[in-house]
Amino acid sequence: SQTIHQWPATLVQPVGSPLSLECTVEGTSNPNLYWYRQAAGRGLQLLFYSVGIGQISSEVPQNLSASRPQDRQFILSSKKLLLSDSGFYLCAWGTQMVRTEAFFGQGTRLTVV
Amino acid sequence: GENVEQHPSTLSVQEGDSAVIKCTYSDSASNYFPWYKQELGKRPQLIIDIRSNVGEKKDQRIAVTLNKTAKHFSLHITETQPEDSAVYFCAALSGTASKLTFGTGTRLQVTL
Repeated sequence: SQTIHQWPATLVQPVGSPLSLECTVEGTSNPNLYWYRQAAGRGLQLLFYSVGIGQISSEVPQNLSASRPQDRQFILSSKKLLLSDSGFYLCAWGTQMVRTEAFFGQGTRLTVV
Repeated sequence: GENVEQHPSTLSVQEGDSAVIKCTYSDSASNYFPWYKQELGKRPQLIIDIRSNVGEKKDQRIAVTLNKTAKHFSLHITETQPEDSAVYFCAALSGTASKLTFGTGTRLQVTL
């Protein structure tokens, strides 16, 4: 069966520090991968999605970046965090051949102080 | 790109009443429409979905309807219970861009 792992679950980082969140998927190949951000009490904002290794589509301009070094690994990064980067970050995967839901990781609650 | 609008943003109903949440989408190529329930501090979980070749789908107290011509779809919850209280998100999967776009969410409160 397929599983998705996202870590860490919580993170407190100072302004200006770097960020690296990792997400891996098991039990499937060539998934679509997504990074979403959810500000407190708000909706799910799509940040990046990827349909294959090295293929990244950015949805909103920001100081975040994403990479997909392996088929089932998706990384969200920042060189210098801003206060406005605080939020609940969710990684998700979906299949490409059959239209299905996105399966979400447990999320990372990031607080930039 | 796809734009999904969701209404209302908050909804309060009494236990046993019905709740309806509506969404519209802009991309006519979208062909898959899931609904998610998110409890406080947790990840969104799929509760029901519908594909573009179907007009209605029902699962116990939950139903979803889709009008492709008008590009809108709705979630219906009947006989609401306190445990239905959560934030509900609609979404649309673009047929061309392989990306899932979410609505802004509806906070449903079921009161006793």
